Amino acid sequence: SQKIEQNSEALNIQEGKTATLTCNYTNYSPAYLQWYRQDPGRGPVFLLLIRENEKEKRKERLKVTFDTTLKQSLFHITASQPADSATYLCALTTGGGNKLTFGTGTQLKVEL
Amino acid sequence: DTGVSQDPRHKITKRGQNVTFRCDPISEHNRLYWYRQTLGQGPEFLTYFQNEAQLEKSRLLSDRFSAERPKGSFSTLEIQRTEQGDSAMYLCASSLGHKMNTEAFFGQGTRLTVV
Repeated sequence: SQKIEQNSEALNIQEGKTATLTCNYTNYSPAYLQWYRQDPGRGPVFLLLIRENEKEKRKERLKVTFDTTLKQSLFHITASQPADSATYLCALTTGGGNKLTFGTGTQLKVEL
Repeated sequence: DTGVSQDPRHKITKRGQNVTFRCDPISEHNRLYWYRQTLGQGPEFLTYFQNEAQLEKSRLLSDRFSAERPKGSFSTLEIQRTEQGDSAMYLCASSLGHKMNTEAFFGQGTRLTVV
């Protein structure tokens, strides 16, 4: 069956450290993988998109890697801040119409 | 504000009642999506429109659910004979273009509680 798995447990890290979140998928062949941030009671907000033929993509303090052999994406936030505390969702672009298939999300808490 | 707008933000209804939600996408976006999200889960795809045409519906969308996008502008999602299992956050998103490398812009969602 098709699955998108993210760390189910919350990730707590200290301010200033690098947070690394994992997204693993099975039985998909996505052309694109996206990461979104979601705050409580709000809709997801787009962060980064990476193509299947890209290994790594960066935006400010964010970095995403995409390994289609391992079927895994890693999402890194460097120099983390308390304001980075949120749930982070990975999503695959699947099928026609660019619909997104989401993982369950990982809750990140950055502590002072 | 030129983002995706959803109305209402919250809806409490009794089991068996019908409810309708509205979504106003970003004006130039030709694609509009509806997702449903329950606590602790990621959003699940329900349906999408390209302009006014509804091109795909998920198996999650039972016959009690119907969505429209008249004239390719705003969209409505109606749930008839609501059940407690329909309680969730209903998210609308829009995007521009036909390529797969486009981001989706989400609204704030409508939280439905069926009592």
